[in-house]
Amino acid sequence: EAQVTQNPRYLITVTGKKLTVTCSQNMNHEYMSWYRQDPGLGLRQIYYSMNVEVTDKGDVPEGYKVSRKEKRNFPLILESPSPNQTSLYFCASSVLAEEHHTGELFFGEGSRLTVL
Amino acid sequence: AQRVTQPEKLLSVFKGAPVELKCNYSYSGSPELFWYVQYSRQRLQLLLRHISRESIKGFTADLNKGETSFHLKKPFAQEEDSAMYYCALLSPNFGNEKLTFGTGTRLTIIP
Repeated sequence: EAQVTQNPRYLITVTGKKLTVTCSQNMNHEYMSWYRQDPGLGLRQIYYSMNVEVTDKGDVPEGYKVSRKEKRNFPLILESPSPNQTSLYFCASSVLAEEHHTGELFFGEGSRLTVL
Repeated sequence: AQRVTQPEKLLSVFKGAPVELKCNYSYSGSPELFWYVQYSRQRLQLLLRHISRESIKGFTADLNKGETSFHLKKPFAQEEDSAMYYCALLSPNFGNEKLTFGTGTRLTIIP
């Protein structure tokens, strides 16, 4: 089944303890992106990647890192999590048409992170 | 800078009544607009895009460049339409396309 898979789905951690949220897609999509969803703020883009080894900041990149060493994987790294990073995180992927974003994103199920 | 505004956080409509979810945008160029939907316990998914000019699940949306709006409409609401709806704008800057989402509207259909 074609899909985007995120892990873990739920995580409670403490301030400063490094964590990684994995994201994998099996659709051979070039484009991948991370969003966070917060009440009243909607979906905000954290980082995105147009292809392997190509990543760029979104609207709210502070406190996050990403890497794109393989086409299928796009992990989100929180080096030193803080309580303001408590949120619902979504990974998404998309095919590029002639290197252009089509606007059709395929989303993972979300990862709910709580930082105490 | 591009922006998408959905003025209603919550919208309740009786079954069988018309539905209109509002979306306004600000962008200086020619954007592409989308509606995404998230049903309970399901993934966020694309509902429709303005360039397709299609009706999906009875929903339509027309891009009004004069009013910079892309409102989502359905003539007769059904209970299964209850969900979270997000309007999104794609700015077609080659190599740096950006999909910006609004804050979302939670639609509840009252039986």
